[in-house]
Amino acid sequence: QVQLVQSGAEVKKPGASVKVSCKASGYTFTSYGISWVRQAPGQGLEWMGWISAYNGNTNYAQKLQGRVTMTTDTSTSTAYMELRSLRSDDTAVYYCAREEDYGDYADYWGQGTLVTVSS
Amino acid sequence: QSVLTQPPSVSAAPGQKVTISCSGSSSNIGNNYVSWYQQLPGTAPKLLIYDNNKRPSGIPDRFSGSKSGTSATLGITGLQTGDEADYYCGTWDSSLSSYVFGTGTKVTVL
Repeated sequence: QVQLVQSGAEVKKPGASVKVSCKASGYTFTSYGISWVRQAPGQGLEWMGWISAYNGNTNYAQKLQGRVTMTTDTSTSTAYMELRSLRSDDTAVYYCAREEDYGDYADYWGQGTLVTVSS
Repeated sequence: QSVLTQPPSVSAAPGQKVTISCSGSSSNIGNNYVSWYQQLPGTAPKLLIYDNNKRPSGIPDRFSGSKSGTSATLGITGLQTGDEADYYCGTWDSSLSSYVFGTGTKVTVL
């Protein structure tokens, strides 16, 4: 069965960076991409971007360009999302999701990782 | 602020039907497939509908999706208490070059 298991909760200070991992299992990792979606407390879903696990191509949300980097490690079937220069409004639950191509639908989701940015 | 507009909430009694609208434009819904996601309290979103009206394996046929022009609709029949959740539409926006989600709709079973 397809599973996406994310790393644990993080607490960071403003200006720091965070790197969240998403380990995939139950399917051929390189046949799909991974999207990252975040949800601030009590708010809706926000798409952050997508990475192809096949060739590493990325497509980032314009508002996060320059602060976010998505990578994959095909040897461990793991995707990573790094967000830099953290601000308080980056406090959110961050989800990874399997998505065949960017702009497509996300059919399996990780459990979410809470990132809290606070001084 | 999302480019896809949904009603904040809908409600109905058990066994009844609800519909949730998702209004967009030609740059998103009008020219791209729509998906719908269910988010139960405290859990990750779950895919309910993809490609406007297709259900993934395991999703009951009580859930249905449709699209007309620049709007999409999710229907839930035979409402159950377990359907209480937030529901989001989503699609690609060609102008923004970004995937966009709707504002979300909370379904309450009375």
